Amino acid sequence: AQSVTQPDIHITVSEGASLELRCNYSYGATPYLFWYVQSPGQGLQLLLKYFSGDTLVQGIKGFEAEFKRSQSSFNLRKPSVHWSDAAEYFCAVGGNTGTASKLTFGTGTRLQVTL
Amino acid sequence: DTAVSQTPKYLVTQMGNDKSIKCEQNLGHDTMYWYKQDSKKFLKIMFSYNNKELIINETVPNRFSPKSPDKAHLNLHINSLELGDSAVYFCASRSGGAGDEQFFGPGTRLTVL
Repeated sequence: AQSVTQPDIHITVSEGASLELRCNYSYGATPYLFWYVQSPGQGLQLLLKYFSGDTLVQGIKGFEAEFKRSQSSFNLRKPSVHWSDAAEYFCAVGGNTGTASKLTFGTGTRLQVTL
Repeated sequence: DTAVSQTPKYLVTQMGNDKSIKCEQNLGHDTMYWYKQDSKKFLKIMFSYNNKELIINETVPNRFSPKSPDKAHLNLHINSLELGDSAVYFCASRSGGAGDEQFFGPGTRLTVL
């Protein structure tokens, strides 16, 4: 069974500081990995995804993530956080099982940004 | 242009009632989903349809019945509502491949009193 662990429930960083959100996954084959962001009262928006190729992927809003197969990790990073980045961040894993593919989400990490 | 829309945005109702949530996507996607997000923000898949055919049903009580009249619409009907059904329900759609992005609707916050 596929699963995702986001060990940090809540993280606070200062504006301008760097950020790393952790994500560990469990999946029996090559995973499809995603990071989504949810602003308060909103739906989820895709930040970036990985399913093959370069293990360092770039996303929107200056985010990047690195896939490390040996560590079963897909951590999200941003070099300089902006106050508008305060939101809930979800890591998700899916697999290539055609139309029956589903995403399994982690429990999320709430990011708070202090000015 | 809203890609994935849901109605209503808020729904407050009494225990035991029956209610429906509607979802429409104008992206031309083949696959649609319903997710439930609980009070702790945990997001869990409930159902998935591909071209009007149910392909994923994740151990959801049979009080929940999805219906897809066409591939652009996926509705969720809930019978005999219970307090534990209170949550935010998200609809999503995806074009085809497993590596493709799922586009999410804005959510419907259901409160059962």
